[in-house]
Parts: sequence; structure tokens; C-alpha cells
Amino acid sequence: AQKVTQAQTEISVVEKEDVTLDCVYETRDTTYYLFWYKQPPSGELVFLIRRNSFDEQNEISGRYSWNFQKSTSSFNFTITASQVVDSAVYFCALSEAQDQGAQKLVFGQGTRLTINP
Amino acid sequence: KAGVTQTPRYLIKTRGQQVTLSCSPISGHRSVSWYQQTPGQGLQFLFEYFSETQRNKGNFPGRFSGRQFSNSRSEMNVSTLELGDSALYLCASSLSTGIGGELFFGEGSRLTVL
Repeated sequence: AQKVTQAQTEISVVEKEDVTLDCVYETRDTTYYLFWYKQPPSGELVFLIRRNSFDEQNEISGRYSWNFQKSTSSFNFTITASQVVDSAVYFCALSEAQDQGAQKLVFGQGTRLTINP
Repeated sequence: KAGVTQTPRYLIKTRGQQVTLSCSPISGHRSVSWYQQTPGQGLQFLFEYFSETQRNKGNFPGRFSGRQFSNSRSEMNVSTLELGDSALYLCASSLSTGIGGELFFGEGSRLTVL
């Protein structure tokens, strides 16, 4: 069965520190996608990145980077030089093939990140 | 380009009542999904619609239902409300179908059941 685990419930750091959010997933499929979403206080989930199971290249986007390792079933997210605006709840999610091409995300419990000035 | 719009944003109901939530997807998006977010259970998949057809349903009781209209707008309904139905209900739309599609979420409808 699909499962996503974000072991860190809350993280609090001081601005400019680097912080890594952990994500471990379980799936029996060989084809799947992994996502990271950010949820600010307003409530909507904001898409950050998508990675398919055949692409293990790490990705960097500005201060954000992602490390995907199939060998450990992990898809970790690092924020470099954190800023107060990065404060939010971050979710890791997994998508597997569904009947009729349906889309379904299985989310982790989320990590509440607080960046203190 | 307008994002996903959900109405109402906030509502309060009492046990036993029913509620209907509405979602207008991004123009051109034909897939609409619904998720329930609670502090205890986190984000859970409710159902997904494409071209007015429900393609997938999560593990929720029959009190939770939905539909999609020909213009891709979607509604979900919860009947005989229970206290545990208090949650943030998020709607998401997608241009792509299949497992890799990026979901665009609305700000949600926050339901409080008293």
C-alpha cells in the first residue's frame, strides 16, 4: 500500500539557517510520482516540485533543492539560507497509477516549518 | 489566469444537517479532485472527477458524494453531518490526466460542525 512518512512534525530554525525536510515513501509500483507542496496560512496547497520514479536527478531551484534516492525511498527537501517567508506547512505526496487514469495523491502528515527572525 | 475557486470559504453547520461545497477549476482543466484535511487524519483523498465521471473514490462513507458538471465545475455534498466532518475541504484541478499531473489547489472551504 502507498504510504508517505514525514517524521518531523515541527521544525523551528533561525533565519539564514539551512533546513532539510525529510520524506520517506512506500510503494509497490515501479512507476510513480513524488511531489512537494507548501501550505501557507491561507490554506491552499502550492506546488513546489514533481519527480517521477525514473528520474533520480537532484534538482535545485533558487534556495530550494530536492534529493531523490530510490535506494532509500526518500525524497528530501532542503531550503538554503531560510527566510521568514518560508514559514509554512510542507507536504510530501505520492501518486501511483489508478484505474481509468484517475489522479490520487497520498500525502504525508506534513512538517510545520517556522523560520524565526 | 484565475485559480481554483471554492465557495463558501467558511461555513458553520449543526449535526444532522447537510452541506454542499462548490469548486470552479482553472479554465481548461477537466480533472477535479477533492481532499479533506483534518488535524488528526491529515490530507485524505475524497474523490476525483473527469468529464463528469467519478474515476476514483477514497475511503469515506456514502454520506460524502460529489458530481461534476459539463463545464467542469464540481460540487461535493456531505449529508447527515457529524462532528468529525469538521475540516478544511480542498478542491484541486488538473490539466493533465494520469499520475503525473500537477494539481492546482483552491484555498478550501472550512466547515465547522457544531
